[in-house]
Amino acid sequence: KAGVTQTPRYLIKTRGQQVTLSCSPISGHRSVSWYQQTPGQGLQFLFEYFSETQRNKGNFPGRFSGRQFSNSRSEMNVSTLELGDSALYLCASSLTAGGYTFGSGTRLTVV
Amino acid sequence: AQSVAQPEDQVNVAEGNPLTVKCTYSVSGNPYLFWYVQYPNRGLQFLLKYITGDNLVKGSYGFEAEFNKSQTSFHLKKPSALVSDSALYFCAVRDGYNNNDMRFGAGTRLTVKP
Repeated sequence: KAGVTQTPRYLIKTRGQQVTLSCSPISGHRSVSWYQQTPGQGLQFLFEYFSETQRNKGNFPGRFSGRQFSNSRSEMNVSTLELGDSALYLCASSLTAGGYTFGSGTRLTVV
Repeated sequence: AQSVAQPEDQVNVAEGNPLTVKCTYSVSGNPYLFWYVQYPNRGLQFLLKYITGDNLVKGSYGFEAEFNKSQTSFHLKKPSALVSDSALYFCAVRDGYNNNDMRFGAGTRLTVKP
Protein backbone atom coordinates (compact mmCIF):
# COMPACT_ATOMS: atom_id res chain seq x y z
CA LYS A 1 0.00 0.00 0.00
CA ALA A 2 1.58 3.26 -1.11
CA GLY A 3 2.19 5.89 1.55
CA VAL A 4 1.76 9.62 1.42
CA THR A 5 3.76 11.05 -1.47
CA GLN A 6 5.03 14.61 -1.48
CA THR A 7 6.67 16.26 -4.45
CA PRO A 8 9.15 17.70 -4.93
CA ARG A 9 11.44 16.63 -2.07
CA TYR A 10 13.63 19.70 -2.32
CA LEU A 11 13.01 23.14 -3.74
CA ILE A 12 15.03 26.34 -3.92
CA LYS A 13 13.19 29.55 -4.73
CA THR A 14 14.02 33.23 -4.80
CA ARG A 15 12.36 35.75 -2.51
CA GLY A 16 9.22 37.13 -4.14
CA GLN A 17 8.51 34.06 -6.23
CA GLN A 18 5.65 31.68 -5.67
CA VAL A 19 5.72 27.91 -5.15
CA THR A 20 3.32 25.00 -5.36
CA LEU A 21 3.78 21.80 -3.38
CA SER A 22 1.93 18.60 -4.05
CA CYS A 23 0.67 15.82 -1.82
CA SER A 24 -0.90 12.50 -2.80
CA PRO A 25 -2.60 10.85 0.17
CA ILE A 26 -2.97 7.17 0.88
CA SER A 27 -5.64 5.67 -1.33
CA GLY A 28 -9.03 6.03 0.32
CA HIS A 29 -7.96 8.80 2.69
CA ARG A 30 -10.14 11.85 2.23
CA SER A 31 -8.51 14.17 4.75
CA VAL A 32 -5.24 15.94 4.00
CA SER A 33 -3.47 18.28 6.41
CA TRP A 34 -0.45 20.49 5.92
CA TYR A 35 2.15 21.53 8.47
CA GLN A 36 5.17 23.81 8.40
CA GLN A 37 8.15 22.68 10.43
CA THR A 38 10.97 25.04 11.37
CA PRO A 39 13.64 24.74 14.07
CA GLY A 40 12.33 27.79 15.92
CA GLN A 41 8.57 27.28 15.67
CA GLY A 42 8.25 23.52 15.59
CA LEU A 43 5.27 22.02 13.78
CA GLN A 44 2.72 24.66 12.85
CA PHE A 45 -0.66 23.69 11.43
CA LEU A 46 -1.46 25.29 8.08
CA PHE A 47 -4.77 23.82 6.95
CA GLU A 48 -6.82 20.68 6.60
CA TYR A 49 -8.95 19.62 3.66
CA PHE A 50 -11.68 17.04 3.62
CA SER A 51 -13.58 16.10 0.48
CA GLU A 52 -12.32 19.19 -1.37
CA THR A 53 -13.39 21.58 1.41
CA GLN A 54 -11.12 23.40 3.82
CA ARG A 55 -12.20 22.12 7.21
CA ASN A 56 -9.66 23.78 9.51
CA LYS A 57 -7.17 26.60 9.09
CA GLY A 58 -4.16 27.68 11.11
CA ASN A 59 -2.80 31.16 11.75
CA PHE A 60 -0.88 31.82 8.58
CA PRO A 61 -1.12 34.84 6.28
CA GLY A 62 -3.19 34.74 3.12
CA ARG A 63 -0.04 34.12 1.06
CA PHE A 64 -0.46 30.49 2.09
CA SER A 65 -3.30 28.73 0.34
CA GLY A 66 -4.30 25.24 -0.57
CA ARG A 67 -6.81 23.12 -2.36
CA GLN A 68 -7.90 19.55 -2.67
CA PHE A 69 -8.99 17.79 -5.81
CA SER A 70 -11.73 15.22 -6.32
CA ASN A 71 -9.16 12.40 -6.11
CA SER A 72 -8.09 13.74 -2.68
CA ARG A 73 -4.71 14.95 -3.94
CA SER A 74 -3.83 18.28 -2.44
CA GLU A 75 -1.65 21.22 -3.32
CA MET A 76 -0.47 24.13 -1.26
CA ASN A 77 0.72 27.38 -2.70
CA VAL A 78 2.84 30.10 -1.18
CA SER A 79 2.96 33.42 -3.02
CA THR A 80 5.46 36.24 -2.64
CA LEU A 81 7.96 34.06 -0.84
CA GLU A 82 9.88 35.44 2.11
CA LEU A 83 13.11 34.18 3.63
CA GLY A 84 11.15 33.08 6.69
CA ASP A 85 9.12 30.66 4.60
CA SER A 86 12.13 28.37 4.39
CA ALA A 87 10.98 25.20 6.13
CA LEU A 88 10.08 21.56 5.84
CA TYR A 89 6.47 21.32 4.67
CA LEU A 90 4.76 18.15 5.75
CA CYS A 91 1.57 16.67 4.43
CA ALA A 92 -0.46 14.06 6.28
CA SER A 93 -3.51 12.07 5.31
CA SER A 94 -6.05 10.32 7.48
CA LEU A 95 -9.03 8.05 7.09
CA THR A 96 -10.66 8.93 10.39
CA ALA A 97 -9.83 11.10 13.37
CA GLY A 98 -7.68 8.24 14.58
CA GLY A 99 -4.38 9.58 13.37
CA TYR A 100 -2.31 10.82 10.51
CA THR A 101 0.18 9.23 8.15
CA PHE A 102 2.86 11.68 7.11
CA GLY A 103 4.80 12.08 3.93
CA SER A 104 8.56 12.67 3.89
CA GLY A 105 8.07 16.37 3.33
CA THR A 106 9.22 19.04 0.92
CA ARG A 107 12.25 21.03 2.00
CA LEU A 108 11.77 24.60 0.74
CA THR A 109 14.69 27.00 0.79
CA VAL A 110 14.07 30.65 -0.04
CA VAL A 111 17.16 32.65 -1.02
CA ALA B 1 -8.54 25.07 21.12
CA GLN B 2 -6.43 22.02 21.83
CA SER B 3 -2.76 22.25 22.80
CA VAL B 4 0.14 20.10 23.92
CA ALA B 5 3.11 20.80 26.16
CA GLN B 6 6.34 18.85 26.14
CA PRO B 7 8.23 20.32 29.08
CA GLU B 8 11.64 18.89 28.18
CA ASP B 9 13.54 19.99 25.09
CA GLN B 10 16.08 17.24 25.61
CA VAL B 11 16.16 13.88 27.39
CA ASN B 12 19.37 11.92 27.81
CA VAL B 13 19.45 8.31 28.94
CA ALA B 14 21.96 5.49 28.92
CA GLU B 15 21.36 2.47 26.73
CA GLY B 16 19.49 -0.23 28.63
CA ASN B 17 17.91 2.22 31.06
CA PRO B 18 14.20 3.05 31.06
CA LEU B 19 13.15 6.25 29.32
CA THR B 20 10.25 8.64 29.78
CA VAL B 21 9.28 11.54 27.51
CA LYS B 22 6.67 13.76 29.09
CA CYS B 23 3.53 15.23 27.54
CA THR B 24 0.57 17.13 28.93
CA TYR B 25 -2.43 18.24 26.94
CA SER B 26 -5.38 20.59 26.96
CA VAL B 27 -8.58 19.94 25.03
CA SER B 28 -12.19 20.94 25.55
CA GLY B 29 -13.75 17.80 24.14
CA ASN B 30 -12.57 14.21 23.83
CA PRO B 31 -8.78 13.81 23.79
CA TYR B 32 -7.32 11.73 21.01
CA LEU B 33 -3.61 11.49 21.83
CA PHE B 34 -0.67 10.46 19.68
CA TRP B 35 3.07 10.02 19.72
CA TYR B 36 5.21 10.40 16.62
CA VAL B 37 8.95 10.05 16.06
CA GLN B 38 11.06 11.91 13.53
CA TYR B 39 14.48 10.93 12.25
CA PRO B 40 16.73 13.47 10.46
CA ASN B 41 15.36 14.76 7.16
CA ARG B 42 12.32 12.52 7.38
CA GLY B 43 8.63 12.91 7.98
CA LEU B 44 6.92 11.86 11.18
CA GLN B 45 6.40 8.19 11.94
CA PHE B 46 3.45 7.05 14.02
CA LEU B 47 4.29 5.29 17.30
CA LEU B 48 1.02 4.89 19.17
CA LYS B 49 -2.32 6.47 19.95
CA TYR B 50 -4.97 6.66 22.62
CA ILE B 51 -8.57 7.03 21.50
CA THR B 52 -10.50 5.09 24.12
CA GLY B 53 -10.15 1.97 26.24
CA ASP B 54 -7.19 0.91 28.36
CA ASN B 55 -5.15 3.76 29.73
CA LEU B 56 -1.91 1.93 28.93
CA VAL B 57 -1.29 1.90 25.21
CA LYS B 58 1.38 -0.22 23.55
CA GLY B 59 2.91 0.85 20.28
CA SER B 60 5.73 0.28 17.83
CA TYR B 61 9.35 -0.56 18.74
CA GLY B 62 8.52 -1.43 22.36
CA PHE B 63 7.16 1.99 23.26
CA GLU B 64 4.13 2.49 25.45
CA ALA B 65 2.24 5.45 26.88
CA GLU B 66 -0.13 5.94 29.76
CA PHE B 67 -3.18 8.14 29.50
CA ASN B 68 -3.89 9.92 32.78
CA LYS B 69 -7.08 11.93 32.60
CA SER B 70 -6.80 13.55 36.02
CA GLN B 71 -3.29 14.83 35.29
CA THR B 72 -4.05 15.45 31.57
CA SER B 73 -0.85 13.61 30.72
CA PHE B 74 0.23 11.10 28.12
CA HIS B 75 3.88 10.24 28.86
CA LEU B 76 5.84 8.04 26.49
CA LYS B 77 7.86 5.22 28.04
CA LYS B 78 10.16 2.37 27.14
CA PRO B 79 11.59 -0.13 29.64
CA SER B 80 15.01 -0.42 28.00
CA ALA B 81 16.36 2.28 25.68
CA LEU B 82 18.37 1.57 22.54
CA VAL B 83 20.89 3.86 20.85
CA SER B 84 18.68 3.64 17.74
CA ASP B 85 15.83 5.27 19.71
CA SER B 86 17.70 8.57 19.51
CA ALA B 87 15.39 10.91 17.58
CA LEU B 88 12.91 13.76 17.93
CA TYR B 89 9.63 12.80 19.58
CA PHE B 90 6.36 14.66 19.20
CA CYS B 91 3.20 14.38 21.23
CA ALA B 92 -0.04 15.44 19.55
CA VAL B 93 -3.68 15.92 20.49
CA ARG B 94 -6.86 16.07 18.54
CA ASP B 95 -10.32 16.91 19.83
CA GLY B 96 -12.28 13.83 18.86
CA TYR B 97 -15.58 15.45 19.69
CA ASN B 98 -15.17 18.67 17.72
CA ASN B 99 -13.14 17.13 14.89
CA ASN B 100 -10.56 19.88 15.08
CA ASP B 101 -7.12 19.65 13.59
CA MET B 102 -4.21 17.86 15.26
CA ARG B 103 -1.86 20.03 17.31
CA PHE B 104 1.70 19.08 18.14
CA GLY B 105 4.02 19.78 21.01
CA ALA B 106 7.39 21.43 20.44
CA GLY B 107 9.15 18.09 20.42
CA THR B 108 11.65 16.41 22.72
CA ARG B 109 15.03 15.31 21.48
CA LEU B 110 15.92 11.95 22.94
CA THR B 111 19.56 10.93 23.04
CA VAL B 112 20.48 7.43 24.12
CA LYS B 113 24.16 7.01 24.92
CA PRO B 114 25.97 3.68 24.63
